[in-house]
Amino acid sequence: DVKVTQSSRYLVKRTGEKVFLECVQDMDHENMFWYRQDPGLGLRLIYFSYDVKMKEKGDIPEGYSVSREKKERFSLILESASTNQTSMYLCASSQQSPSGANVLTFGAGSRLTVL
Amino acid sequence: GIQVEQSPPDLILQEGANSTLRCNFSDSVNNLQWFHQNPWGQLINLFYIPSGTKQNGRLSATTVATERYSLLYISSSQTTDSGVYFCAVERMNRDDKIIFGKGTRLHILP
Repeated sequence: DVKVTQSSRYLVKRTGEKVFLECVQDMDHENMFWYRQDPGLGLRLIYFSYDVKMKEKGDIPEGYSVSREKKERFSLILESASTNQTSMYLCASSQQSPSGANVLTFGAGSRLTVL
Repeated sequence: GIQVEQSPPDLILQEGANSTLRCNFSDSVNNLQWFHQNPWGQLINLFYIPSGTKQNGRLSATTVATERYSLLYISSSQTTDSGVYFCAVERMNRDDKIIFGKGTRLHILP
């Protein structure tokens, strides 16, 4: 079965801390994505990657960075966590269909609280 | 950018009832997916359905690409069907990102 694993289900951090959210997929997918989900705002794309060592900004990259050193791992980094980054973070991976469509598989999510 | 609207925003049904969820989108797409987010936050991909009809057990989906809408049917609802249903679309242009609707929150009463 296709699997996307997010390292932490729940995290509580303090303002100013550096936070790492890890995501690993075992499907040999090329593409990986980080979203955040907030009530009333839906899912918003933070960063994505179509290849190792490649990254592209999504709609809300400010305050975040990413790392993709290996194909299976895509890390989201909060350099200095702030309270407005309290959210549910969702990682997804995809293999493009013959038509070029990204068919997404999501991890279970990481709920981050910044105090 | 492309707009995605889902209706209704909320739906409360008795167990055993049938339901239809709708997703309208404002431009041509080459990718439409339906997801179910369970109460613990996990998003499960239900269908990849850029056009046509697919069925999986009690769930089926139809996308009419020329009229820019998709429907998700749930028959004989069970309490485990509760959660939020999202549709997401993507256009052919690689620069376009996947756009999610705001979701339909479904609550099935026992």
